[in-house]
Amino acid sequence: GAVVSQHPSRVICKSGTSVKIECRSLDFQATTMFWYRQFPKQSLMLMATSNEGSKATYEQGVEKDKFLINHASLTLSTLTVTSAHPEDSSFYICSAGALWASGGESSYNEQFFGPGTRLTVL
Amino acid sequence: AQSVTQLDSHVSVSEGTPVLLRCNYSSSYSPSLFWYVQHPNKGLQLLLKYTSAATLVKGINGFEAEFKKSETSFHLTKPSAHMSDAAEYFCVVNLSGGYQKVTFGTGTKLQVIP
Repeated sequence: GAVVSQHPSRVICKSGTSVKIECRSLDFQATTMFWYRQFPKQSLMLMATSNEGSKATYEQGVEKDKFLINHASLTLSTLTVTSAHPEDSSFYICSAGALWASGGESSYNEQFFGPGTRLTVL
Repeated sequence: AQSVTQLDSHVSVSEGTPVLLRCNYSSSYSPSLFWYVQHPNKGLQLLLKYTSAATLVKGINGFEAEFKKSETSFHLTKPSAHMSDAAEYFCVVNLSGGYQKVTFGTGTKLQVIP
């Protein structure tokens, strides 16, 4: 199956610093990547949709100036948490979308998820 | 619009007994449906998916789910729970065709009692 990697898997930083998280699709090209945030014991919350070569689309309530997304190539998207604060501590997960054909039926979309990045801001 | 409801936030079963995790969806179009499992401090692992082919879908680790359009359900089952099944399970819905955005359920935490 398709593989998506994230780097780093874990990062601890001081308040006020910026942190960059990379998301790569290793064996397929993804025109669309997604960034999620997950608080403890909660479901995944979509932060933004990232399309290669264009600006990301942010979900309501997500600060685009704080969470900078760059999707420069078909296999790489980055999320930069700028001026991080303790409340930004969370588990960040990316996914890469791919369109598959389903054995004669209509095509369907599937997202392949990265392993996640645990961000802790001190 | 699409939505997904996981009816139970927490399910507790004894080891060796059947597992049932419920999921209902709402979609204006023909959906694709997925079940993911997440172990503590880990990423998501795909268990199985429904993509408009067979309505009974078999996944990994003995899990299966049945798509029932009349009931708008996609419940996850396993005949016999194992201790390693203890985790968080997410039901996810996605519209077919060119629309890629998915909607996550709120998750069901499965506890397996020895």
